[in-house]
Amino acid sequence: EVHLLGSGGGLVQPGGSLRLSCTASGFSFSSYAVSWVRQAPGKGLEWVSALSGSGGSTYYADFVKGRFTISRENSKNTLFLQMNSLRADDTAVYYCAKHSGYSYSYVFDYWGQGTLVTVSS
Amino acid sequence: QSVLTQPPSASGTPGQRVTISCSGSSSNIGSNTVTWYQQLPGTAPKLLIYSNNQRPSGVPDRFSGSKSGTSASLAISGLQSEDEADYYCATWDDSLTGWVFGGGTKLTVL
Repeated sequence: EVHLLGSGGGLVQPGGSLRLSCTASGFSFSSYAVSWVRQAPGKGLEWVSALSGSGGSTYYADFVKGRFTISRENSKNTLFLQMNSLRADDTAVYYCAKHSGYSYSYVFDYWGQGTLVTVSS
Repeated sequence: QSVLTQPPSASGTPGQRVTISCSGSSSNIGSNTVTWYQQLPGTAPKLLIYSNNQRPSGVPDRFSGSKSGTSASLAISGLQSEDEADYYCATWDDSLTGWVFGGGTKLTVL
């Protein structure tokens, strides 16, 4: 059974940093692209970043370019999102999502339970 | 403002058929397949429809999807109380080089 467990969320001050993790199980982690998708309180879904199976290709939404970095450690079945220069409008539940294939262009077929990031002073 | 446009709400009575629309442009829906997600209250999204009209195993055939040009739609027939949820359309956008979502449609079963 596919399982994605996100962690690392919390309260951080504006301008601060946070590193999210997502531990995967139940599938061959290195064979699939993965993404982060966020959802602000009471709002819709918003794609943040994607990473190919090998980690060689990365994609970012414009609003996080230069601030967030996506990475993966395939030996530990773990996905990361390093978030720097956080702003109040980054407050959201961050979901890790597995793509149904090696490339970012495949659909998200499984989602983690989400981890809440709150940016506030 | 979401790249894909969905009605904010929809409703129906048990047994009815409801449809939810999703409108985009040539750089997203017009050139890529559409996916639909269901998000029950307090839970993570779940894949409902992929490649415009394909259902993953376990999704009832009451759910169906279609696409025409730069628009897509999700139809739910035989509406049930457990269908009350938020529904999102999504696709890849070639111009933005990223995934885009609709703003979501809150379905209420009256």
